[in-house]
Amino acid sequence: GESVGLHLPTLSVQEGDNSIINCAYSNSASDYFIWYKQESGKGPQFIIDIRSNMDKRQGQRVTVLLNKTVKHLSLQIAATQPGDSAVYFCAEMGDSSYKLIFGSGTRLLVRP
Amino acid sequence: ETGVTQSPTHLIKTRGQQVTLRCSSQSGHNTVSWYQQALGQGPQFIFQYYREEENGRGNFPPRFSGLQFPNYSSELNVNALELDDSALYLCASSLELAVLNEQFFGPGTRLTVL
Repeated sequence: GESVGLHLPTLSVQEGDNSIINCAYSNSASDYFIWYKQESGKGPQFIIDIRSNMDKRQGQRVTVLLNKTVKHLSLQIAATQPGDSAVYFCAEMGDSSYKLIFGSGTRLLVRP
Repeated sequence: ETGVTQSPTHLIKTRGQQVTLRCSSQSGHNTVSWYQQALGQGPQFIFQYYREEENGRGNFPPRFSGLQFPNYSSELNVNALELDDSALYLCASSLELAVLNEQFFGPGTRLTVL
């Protein structure tokens, strides 16, 4: 079956450090992945996406890495700020072309 | 903000009752997807509507139903509420059918079933 999971439920980092959030997926046929940020009381917010024909994609302070060999996805946040504190979800496009499959999330806590 | 609005913000119902949740999509978006997010979990896909037709459905029973209107706003209806239906219900709109278009999420409706 399809599943998207995360290795660490909670990640605590010092302000200014880099953060790495990991995600494993099981459907090798998935070809599109997205990272979302969800703050308390809000819906998920798109951060960055990547297609399976890419290994790396960079945005503003964020980088997504995709390792198809081991079916692993990571989100790197540079110079983590207090405003980055939230729950982060990875999501994959499943067998259908319309449905996103979300993992259970990682909570990022930024220490001042 | 994403321009996607949902109402109501919070709702309390009792088992067996019925509930209707509403979503207004971002201007110009003709596709609306609904997700259920239990506490501490990731969102689970319920169904998607495209140009007033159901386009796909997740693993939810028939008592979960929906509508999309000509202005592309949408409703989620849940009949015979159960305690496990307590969750945050999210809608997301996108410009066109394919998920490869960015989905913009609303803030959600928090449903509590007692």
